[in-house]
Amino acid sequence: DAGVIQSPRHEVTEMGQEVTLRCKPISGHNSLFWYRQTMMRGLELLIYFNNNVPIDDSGMPEDRFSAKMPNASFSTLKIQPSEPRDSAVYFCASRTGTSLSYNEQFFGPGTRLTVL
Amino acid sequence: QQPVQSPQAVILREGEDAVINCSSSKALYSVHWYRQKHGEAPVFLMILLKGGEQKGHEKISASFNEKKQQSSLYLTASQLSYSGTYFCGTPGTDSWGKLQFGAGTQVVVTP
Repeated sequence: DAGVIQSPRHEVTEMGQEVTLRCKPISGHNSLFWYRQTMMRGLELLIYFNNNVPIDDSGMPEDRFSAKMPNASFSTLKIQPSEPRDSAVYFCASRTGTSLSYNEQFFGPGTRLTVL
Repeated sequence: QQPVQSPQAVILREGEDAVINCSSSKALYSVHWYRQKHGEAPVFLMILLKGGEQKGHEKISASFNEKKQQSSLYLTASQLSYSGTYFCGTPGTDSWGKLQFGAGTQVVVTP
């Protein structure tokens, strides 16, 4: 299996621009998580989906952030407009199980976002 | 609420042992451990379940004391490959199925 795939791996953009991060979970996994990692705040869960349905988006920082999962093999995280404080590494992770499960999560390689 | 990890960092020589602690202010049913090497994604190490069951990975083992609401990760006879940041994750209080991760413990193993 190819593992969780994220694109792009690096993104540099200017403040005010729209940024779209993409994730392809492992085939057969029905839960998908978006995390943000910074030195100051550590590893934060932004949102997670189960069977393509958002279960918990309480970690989404503000309305500038939105996430979609149109099908079982694709998810996007969009930031519009982007701000310098959004600079971070964004990870996507997937796992099997129900929305109540705590199975092993498989992380993608991450997208390093820099907003100038 | 985020679990608390200690120490924040530890430096070891190859072959030495170390213990990383993870504690929570709320009742725990499981604790999850992940390791992240510099510039890479976190990788799953193990899950510990209520009942004190110990699980191991290589020479890394862990224990879970639900009464004390804490877990400890034991790095035995450390190897250079053990370097990285170790995170514990505990179930969220307001929503099932998600983990809240501690701030991490940075481990550096030197020759």
